[in-house]
Amino acid sequence: KAGVTQTPRYLIKTRGQQVTLSCSPISGHRSVSWYQQTPGQGLQFLFEYFSETQRNKGNFPGRFSGRQFSNSRSEMNVSTLELGDSALYLCASSLTSGGVSYNEQFFGPGTRLTVL
Amino acid sequence: QKEVEQDPGPLSVPEGAIVSLNCTYSNSAFQYFMWYRQYSRKGPELLMYTYSSGNKEDGRFTAQVDKSSKYISLFIRDSQPSDSATYLCAMRGSSNTGKLIFGQGTTLQVKP
Repeated sequence: KAGVTQTPRYLIKTRGQQVTLSCSPISGHRSVSWYQQTPGQGLQFLFEYFSETQRNKGNFPGRFSGRQFSNSRSEMNVSTLELGDSALYLCASSLTSGGVSYNEQFFGPGTRLTVL
Repeated sequence: QKEVEQDPGPLSVPEGAIVSLNCTYSNSAFQYFMWYRQYSRKGPELLMYTYSSGNKEDGRFTAQVDKSSKYISLFIRDSQPSDSATYLCAMRGSSNTGKLIFGQGTTLQVKP
């Protein structure tokens, strides 16, 4: 079974631009979460989607948004990029929402975003 | 103060050593505890998760939770150079959210 895939793997943008990152969960998984990883702050939760609905949101500004499609694929968007948005963006999928399923979240390889 | 504290290391041990990795937490609402391994330029890989206080073993890995002390550990027996990676602890509270709170990660190097 294929793992979580994320595209693109690497991205370079300039300040003020916007970016869209894509995540395809493991086949059959319906819950997708997004995390930002930086050397200073570590892994921080961005948001979680299940059945095309955002179920939970982390403490990030409104420039960070996401959505989930009916096939469970998810995208996240960052508008008006800032230098501090440079990070590894990871998505994780789990079979469903709730209970034990949330304890088994599988991560993709991430998208490395560099903002110049 | 962060909700989850983890010594970033680096930790360097000889091959075959027993490795102990630890995290402390402040939020008593955390009920579920995970350990992830992350190799350079890869995403985190789930090693194991635990729920209650006590030990859980999986091959060379043993996870230990002490809720009264708000302290969790991961032990690696017979460490191998292939275990060299960053180890991240993660936790979550109620069953209704998948939001994980991560420690900073401990970088481990196992020398042949």
